[in-house]
Amino acid sequence: TQLLEQSPQFLSIQEGENLTVYCNSSSVFSSLQWYRQEPGEGPVLLVTVVTGGEVKKLKRLTFQFGDARKDSSLHITAAQPGDTGLYLCAGADGANNLFFGTGTRLTVIP
Amino acid sequence: DTEVTQTPKHLVMGMTNKKSLKCEQHMGHRAMYWYKQKAKKPPELMFVYSYEKLSINESVPSRFSPECPNSSLLNLHLHALQPEDSALYLCASSQAAGQSYGYTFGSGTRLTVV
Repeated sequence: TQLLEQSPQFLSIQEGENLTVYCNSSSVFSSLQWYRQEPGEGPVLLVTVVTGGEVKKLKRLTFQFGDARKDSSLHITAAQPGDTGLYLCAGADGANNLFFGTGTRLTVIP
Repeated sequence: DTEVTQTPKHLVMGMTNKKSLKCEQHMGHRAMYWYKQKAKKPPELMFVYSYEKLSINESVPSRFSPECPNSSLLNLHLHALQPEDSALYLCASSQAAGQSYGYTFGSGTRLTVV
C-alpha cells in the first residue's frame, strides 16, 4: 500500500478566496488522479496527470504533477460554495491500481 | 451509459447472515474494483479484477468473497461479518488495468452490520 498525505486535512474559506491543496508521497506513481466526493456518493474523477511537471486546468481548478511524480497540488481560484466537498488525490501504480490520499475536506462559505 | 450501478444502496445485516453486493457497468471497461470506505476516511482498495480474473486481493479477510461472472458484473459476497465491517462499499471500473485511466465509481452500498 502506497501512502499519500494530503494537506490541509480541513479547509474552511469564504467564497471568492483562492486555495491550494497538497498531496505528497515518498513513492513514485505512474499517474496521479484527483477526485471529489460528496456525502453518500462515490468519488468523481476531476483529472488525471501522467507526466512529471504536467499542469492541467479545468475552469477554476489547476492541477500540477511534481517533476519526480511523487507529489501533486490542486489550486482553486475564486472558490464557490459548489466547490464544497472532499477532495482526494490518488496515485496509480504500474498496474493502474489506485491508492487514495488522506483527503481534504473543503467548505466554502457563501 | 457512463455509469457504474451498485445495489442495494443500503443494507443492514446480522453477523450470521449471508448477503451479496452487486455492481454493474456497460462502458466496456475491463478492470473492476471493490473499495471499502469507513466514515471520514479515504477509500481503501480491497479487490481488483482485470479481464474477469482476480489480480489483487489486498489482504482482505475471507468473510469477503468477490466474484466476476462476466465483464459487466462484479459481486461481493458477505458472510459472518463483524460490526467493524460496517462501511460504504464502493465499486469502480476503468478501461483497463496497466494504463493511466481514470476510474468511474458507483454511489456505493452503505452496509451496517448489527
